Amino acid sequence: QQQVKQSPQSLIVQKGGIPIINCAYENTAFDYFPWYQQFPGKGPALLIAIRPDVSEKKEGRFTISFNKSAKQFSLHIMDSQPGDSATYFCAASSQTGANNLFFGTGTRLTVIP
Amino acid sequence: NAGVMQNPRHLVRRRGQEARLRCSPMKGHSHVYWYRQLPEEGLKFMVYLQKENIIDESGMPKERFSAEFPKEGPSILRIQQVVRGDSAAYFCASSPHSGNEKLFFGSGTQLSVL
Repeated sequence: QQQVKQSPQSLIVQKGGIPIINCAYENTAFDYFPWYQQFPGKGPALLIAIRPDVSEKKEGRFTISFNKSAKQFSLHIMDSQPGDSATYFCAASSQTGANNLFFGTGTRLTVIP
Repeated sequence: NAGVMQNPRHLVRRRGQEARLRCSPMKGHSHVYWYRQLPEEGLKFMVYLQKENIIDESGMPKERFSAEFPKEGPSILRIQQVVRGDSAAYFCASSPHSGNEKLFFGSGTQLSVL
């Protein structure tokens, strides 16, 4: 059973576009929602994370929007660049009593120059 | 300041052989996590260890898989009698403290079972 559902599976945008990746979860005990960026042949790297006490978090060109009532969160990449081409994973966990992150299935983003 | 080091990067085994995957956490990190990634899927948690202790192995298959993190040396993920379904990328992550924040992942070991 997939605890975190992620869409789309792949995404192609032009340079300067704003790709949006969406994730949904069911477990209301989740209280930590990170996004990871993975380049081919590399491990995932933490990009940005949010807790449910805020509806939006922004770091540079990356923004997480969080909708607690809908149990959804999304990643927006402003002014996307070819160097942003990578696979993006959302994840979720409960910070109390849990040791693992539940990952989405990933979105392969391609930014065309 | 080296990151999380995993070796080998690629490992080829025949069915029935043993696979040993090594992970050296970042300096100062005493918490190690192992995740498995199948093609076109996200990472799946396997096990969480601290020095000399297995804290949570709820994601580990009950048979053939084991993990350790000795007082000295790297963490080892061991897969006995490998089968084709074990083919995957295995990632190790480390953290300076417990919890899921600030996990630093290695580049992974790609295991191929022939």
